[in-house]
Amino acid sequence: DTEVTQTPKHLVMGMTNKKSLKCEQHMGHRAMYWYKQKAKKPPELMFVYSYEKLSINESVPSRFSPECPNSSLLNLHLHALQPEDSALYLCASSRGQGGWETQYFGPGTRLLVL
Amino acid sequence: DQQVKQNSPSLSVQEGRISILNCDYTNSMFDYFLWYKKYPAEGPTFLISISSIKDKNEDGRFTVFLNKSAKHLSLHIVPSQPGDSAVYFCAARDNNAGNMLTFGGGTRLMVKP
Repeated sequence: DTEVTQTPKHLVMGMTNKKSLKCEQHMGHRAMYWYKQKAKKPPELMFVYSYEKLSINESVPSRFSPECPNSSLLNLHLHALQPEDSALYLCASSRGQGGWETQYFGPGTRLLVL
Repeated sequence: DQQVKQNSPSLSVQEGRISILNCDYTNSMFDYFLWYKKYPAEGPTFLISISSIKDKNEDGRFTVFLNKSAKHLSLHIVPSQPGDSAVYFCAARDNNAGNMLTFGGGTRLMVKP
């Protein structure tokens, strides 16, 4: 089973709203990732968690706040977003952060900020 | 500066023929390469990978070739099927930089029946 699930599938929010994106995997993976993908562009890495600790933050604005409550769950808290933050947000996981580990992606949450 | 490039934004192939998708990279530290396939409104699906110690990896209809001296890899799909129509992303990783993937811009493959 190589399934990564993400909820919700779609989200529309105003610039003053607070919302959260959720990601879950039950493969025993210890590395989890958030990517942002704009239309017709490749995925861009936002955050990496390794063993529930934030290991990489790719200079993401503070209006995006990641959280890893346990080894199976990864959240992305959103607050005061801008319309240009509208994108597909992808979660991925891998067995570990090092080595030749494959990242498996979830279906994504399509976010629209009005 | 794009470290991973897929110079063909789209490719159209007849069903049953071979599809060849190309990818070039500039960072000589990349040591692991992956191909992902993406349908609209879905996340990327892992297809096949190759480490820098190999020059070929095959899995069913999919074969990836790596030419390290040319910093070039290609994905061959044979025979191509209409269900293969999707966007294909090449991704590369530098083992010394953790598992951070650098993606190419993608190639949209259309397989015509």
